[in-house]
Amino acid sequence: AQSVSQHNHHVILSEAASLELGCNYSYGGTVNLFWYVQYPGQHLQLLLKYFSGDPLVKGIKGFEAEFIKSKFSFNLRKPSVQWSDTAEYFCAVTPYSGGGADGLTFGKGTHLIIQP
Amino acid sequence: DGGITQSPKYLFRKEGQNVTLSCEQNLNHDAMYWYRQDPGQGLRLIYYSQIVNDFQKGDIAEGYSVSREKKESFPLTVTSAQKNPTAFYLCAGGSYNEQFFGPGTRLTVL
Repeated sequence: AQSVSQHNHHVILSEAASLELGCNYSYGGTVNLFWYVQYPGQHLQLLLKYFSGDPLVKGIKGFEAEFIKSKFSFNLRKPSVQWSDTAEYFCAVTPYSGGGADGLTFGKGTHLIIQP
Repeated sequence: DGGITQSPKYLFRKEGQNVTLSCEQNLNHDAMYWYRQDPGQGLRLIYYSQIVNDFQKGDIAEGYSVSREKKESFPLTVTSAQKNPTAFYLCAGGSYNEQFFGPGTRLTVL
């Protein structure tokens, strides 16, 4: 079975600081990778995803993530955070199953607080 | 909002009672999912269904049951066998490509 590890459970940054949230997964085969975000009082929503191709993927709101296969990592980055980025961020993985619709395995989440 | 509706938003039950959480979707997705979210634990998969009249156990299925009689609906029953039912429950619809989440139901068992 697969697992996901997010190293930072709580992160506090000032506005305009750069952000990098770590995510490592454990699985012996090909995976699809996701970052989801949960803003206060809102639905969980997709930030970005990686299936194949260019390992640097860009998502919404200026976020990007880099898949490093040799490190089993999929770290999330943003060059300059805003107060509105305050939220909970979840890394998730699902085994590539040729189009099947298995559920996601999530990390425990990182609670990000941006101070004005 | 992604087309997944869950009701009610808050639910209170006495210990020992079964309770059913509603999840409806208008996205026409074949697959639907139930997750449980606990503070500091992330989301954990309870059950999922890829087609009508079929469903599979997730990582923490014990004490839960589901049905999928219609494509649009995927209700979750939290039974009295679930040892720690107080949690935030999230329903999703989608596929391997992306899952769309509902607003969640916060269940408190007293």
